[in-house]
Amino acid sequence: AQKVTQAQTEISVVEKEDVTLDCVYETRDTTYYLFWYKQPPSGELVFLIRRNSFDEQNEISGRYSWNFQKSTSSFNFTITASQVVDSAVYFCATLTQTGANNLFFGTGTRLTVIP
Amino acid sequence: NAGVTQTPKFQVLKTGQSMTLQCAQDMNHEYMSWYRQDPGMGLRLIHYSVGAGITDQGEVPNGYNVSRSTTEDFPLRLLSAAPSQTSVYFCASRINRGATNSPLHFGNGTRLTVT
Repeated sequence: AQKVTQAQTEISVVEKEDVTLDCVYETRDTTYYLFWYKQPPSGELVFLIRRNSFDEQNEISGRYSWNFQKSTSSFNFTITASQVVDSAVYFCATLTQTGANNLFFGTGTRLTVIP
Repeated sequence: NAGVTQTPKFQVLKTGQSMTLQCAQDMNHEYMSWYRQDPGMGLRLIHYSVGAGITDQGEVPNGYNVSRSTTEDFPLRLLSAAPSQTSVYFCASRINRGATNSPLHFGNGTRLTVT
C-alpha cells in the first residue's frame, strides 16, 4: 500500500528565508508518480508539480525547486526567498500505476511566512 | 469552462439528517473522486468512479453513498449525518483512470458541519 509521510506539521519562516518541506513516500510499485499541491488560506487545491519514478532530475520553477531521490524515497520541496504569498498548506501525494490510480495524500505541512 | 463545480459551499446539518453534495465537471473527464479533509489527516479518499455507471470505495467510505449516472455528475450522499462527518469535502476529476500524466482537477470544496 502507498504511504506518504510529511513529518513537518507546521513551519514558520521569516520572509526571504529559504525553506524545505520534506516528503517521504512508500510504495511497492516500480512505476509511480509523485505530486505536490498547495492549499492557500482561500482553501482551493492548486497543483504544483508531478514527477515520474523513472525521472530523478531535479526540477526548478522560479523560486520553487524539487529534489527527488529514489535512494531515500524522498521528494522534497524547497522555496527560495520565501514570500508572504507562499503561506499555505502544502501536500505531497503519490499515485500508482495500478488499480484506479487514486491519489494518496500526506497529512500536509502548514507553512507560515512572517513579513 | 467551469472545471469542477461543487455545491453547496457551506452546509450545516443536524445529526440524522440526510443530504447530497453535488459535483459536476464540464471537461468530459471519466475519472471522478471524493475526498474529505480533516485537520492533521490530509485528504482521504471516500469514493471514486472511473466512468459512468462504475463506482468503488476508497479509504473511508462508511456513511457515504455515490452514484455516477452521467459522465458529468458525481453526487455524494450522506444518508444519516453524524458529527464525525463534519469536514471539508472535495470533489476531483481527471481525464481517465490511466491518465497518470494529468493532475487531478479539484473543486473549491464544501464545508459541512454536523451538530
